[in-house]
Amino acid sequence: EPEVTQTPSHQVTQMGQEVILRCVPISNHLYFYWYRQILGQKVEFLVSFYNNEISEKSEIFDDQFSVERPDGSNFTLKIRSTKLEDSAMYFCASSERTATGELFFGEGSRLTVL
Amino acid sequence: KQEVTQIPAALSVPEGENLVLNCSFTDSAIYNLQWFRQDPGKGLTSLLLIQSSQREQTSGRLNASLDKSSGRSTLYIAASQPGDSATYLCAASINTGKLIFGQGTTLQVKP
Repeated sequence: EPEVTQTPSHQVTQMGQEVILRCVPISNHLYFYWYRQILGQKVEFLVSFYNNEISEKSEIFDDQFSVERPDGSNFTLKIRSTKLEDSAMYFCASSERTATGELFFGEGSRLTVL
Repeated sequence: KQEVTQIPAALSVPEGENLVLNCSFTDSAIYNLQWFRQDPGKGLTSLLLIQSSQREQTSGRLNASLDKSSGRSTLYIAASQPGDSATYLCAASINTGKLIFGQGTTLQVKP
């Protein structure tokens, strides 16, 4: 069964360092998303991406964050200068259709900022 | 602003019981509602998707209902098993396909 894959599964970094989280969405999907879950808190929307541009972003998704689809398969989330509060599980998701489409999530990338 | 709430936060039942998990949302203008399962430290596994025009969806021992007018959805699990132990999340899709999540119900099914 097709699935969303994410790498790395866990990354530890020093505050101020750049981090890139990678995702391979399901191949025929057109809409891509990043969500995050801080330990013990709700899953939160970060950004949606379609047709090589951001469709919507949340207040969390400030100038330190960026997303990119560098080729036909990968979808990346970059955090330019990590802060302690960026420590969280980051989930990539994809869907065939927005609004009414079912979202499929990856296993997540746990980011720990020291 | 859409808010999603799940009650109870935690639930412990003996194996074999039927149970209901509740989800409420404040804005009835949703496109769909999706139920997920999350095992500790793992990703989100989609269980059921109910479109806004539908009343319920079934998959195996799971049945999810949706009442937009009252802002409620329920997930019914029949004949619970220890393997059902996990956190169950509901999420409402608003107009951009963005999901607003509840905080989840952590279920423990005791053998």
